[in-house]
Amino acid sequence: QQQVKQSPQSLIVQKGGISIINCAYENTAFDYFPWYQQFPGKGPALLIAIRPDVSEKKEGRFTISFNKSAKQFSLHIMDSQPGDSATYFCAASKEGNFNKFYFGSGTKLNVKP
Amino acid sequence: DAGVTQSPTHLIKTRGQQVTLRCSPKSGHDTVSWYQQALGQGPQFIFQYYEEEERQRGNFPDRFSGHQFPNYSSELNVNALLLGDSALYLCASSSGVGYEQYFGPGTRLTVT
Repeated sequence: QQQVKQSPQSLIVQKGGISIINCAYENTAFDYFPWYQQFPGKGPALLIAIRPDVSEKKEGRFTISFNKSAKQFSLHIMDSQPGDSATYFCAASKEGNFNKFYFGSGTKLNVKP
Repeated sequence: DAGVTQSPTHLIKTRGQQVTLRCSPKSGHDTVSWYQQALGQGPQFIFQYYEEEERQRGNFPDRFSGHQFPNYSSELNVNALLLGDSALYLCASSSGVGYEQYFGPGTRLTVT
């Protein structure tokens, strides 16, 4: 059973637009939800993360929205830029689980100039 | 401050062979996790090492084994390689049970 489901698989956005990527999780014990950005040939880089005690976290152009009751969280990229073109992964982990992350399947974002 | 480093960058092996991949964690980190990332998929957790012991293990066969050294660096060993083991192998480091995990650039393993 896939613990974290991510959509869409790919996304095309015009420069300046808003990119939205969604994730849903199964295990209510999860309490840490990071987003990673990965460029071709590179390892994933931590972008932003949220805990379930808040519904939203913003860092620059990146915002995580969290809906605990629906077991969903999403990444919003405001004013998307061509340099944001990459693959984005959501993940989930639970306290005491020694950082065993469950990753989504990834979303390939292409921001058109 | 060096981040997570991995070696080698690329590796080509033949079915049935054995391979060893290496990882040095970010400065100040003592926990190393290994992930397998198949092409077009998200990373899959293999196992994690803390205080030189395997603390958590994902759904991978015993052909996958590891080791952590006193300086916190780690090795991933894969025996009896299969074609399906071809993937990007990622190492991630963190501090104890801290949540933030930082990934290295990965080792691209190709099994022919």
